[in-house]
Amino acid sequence: DQQVKQNSPSLSVQEGRISILNCDYTNSMFDYFLWYKKYPAEGPTFLISISSIKDKNEDGRFTVFLNKSAKHLSLHIVPSQPGDSAVYFCAASVTGDGNKLVFGAGTILRVKS
Amino acid sequence: EAGVAQSPRYKIIEKRQSVAFWCNPISGHATLYWYQQILGQGPKLLIQFQNNGVVDDSQLPKDRFSAERLKGVDSTLKIQPAKLEDSAVYLCASSLEPQGVGPQGTQYFGPGTRLTVL
Repeated sequence: DQQVKQNSPSLSVQEGRISILNCDYTNSMFDYFLWYKKYPAEGPTFLISISSIKDKNEDGRFTVFLNKSAKHLSLHIVPSQPGDSAVYFCAASVTGDGNKLVFGAGTILRVKS
Repeated sequence: EAGVAQSPRYKIIEKRQSVAFWCNPISGHATLYWYQQILGQGPKLLIQFQNNGVVDDSQLPKDRFSAERLKGVDSTLKIQPAKLEDSAVYLCASSLEPQGVGPQGTQYFGPGTRLTVL
């Protein structure tokens, strides 16, 4: 039972344009969402997070949007850079449940120069 | 600040053999996690420690997997005997606190150990 789904295995974007990565979840108890970025042969690194009390969180070129009614979140990268090419994982947790993260399968982002 | 350290980085074994992975979390991080990442999937939590106690091991296949964190710092994960389906990357992560909301609970990952079972 996949509680967190990233339905696009890969995405290719031109440098300077916007990258939009999507994530859907099924468990309505999730109230904290994170995006992690992973380069080959490295562990995932934390990118940005959002609590369910917000619908948007911004950090530089990265913005995460949360639509609770649709159980959907998205990560926007503007402008995209070649160094952003990596695997992006969406993760979710329930506050008070010991910080257990449930990850999606990831989306491979390729930014072409 | 040093990150999460893991060793070995790669391991190849034959099925039915045993293997052990080591993790040293970020200094001062009380919570330690072991994840299994199978190719094409996201990381899946195997076990979570708070200091040297187990918080959650509900997804750990206890017939063959074991983990310990005896002194509340570094940790080992063992598989005995290994099966073909155990081929995966084993990731260790640590966080300052166990609760997820906010920077105190952010999980920092090590580079992982890639296990191949033949």
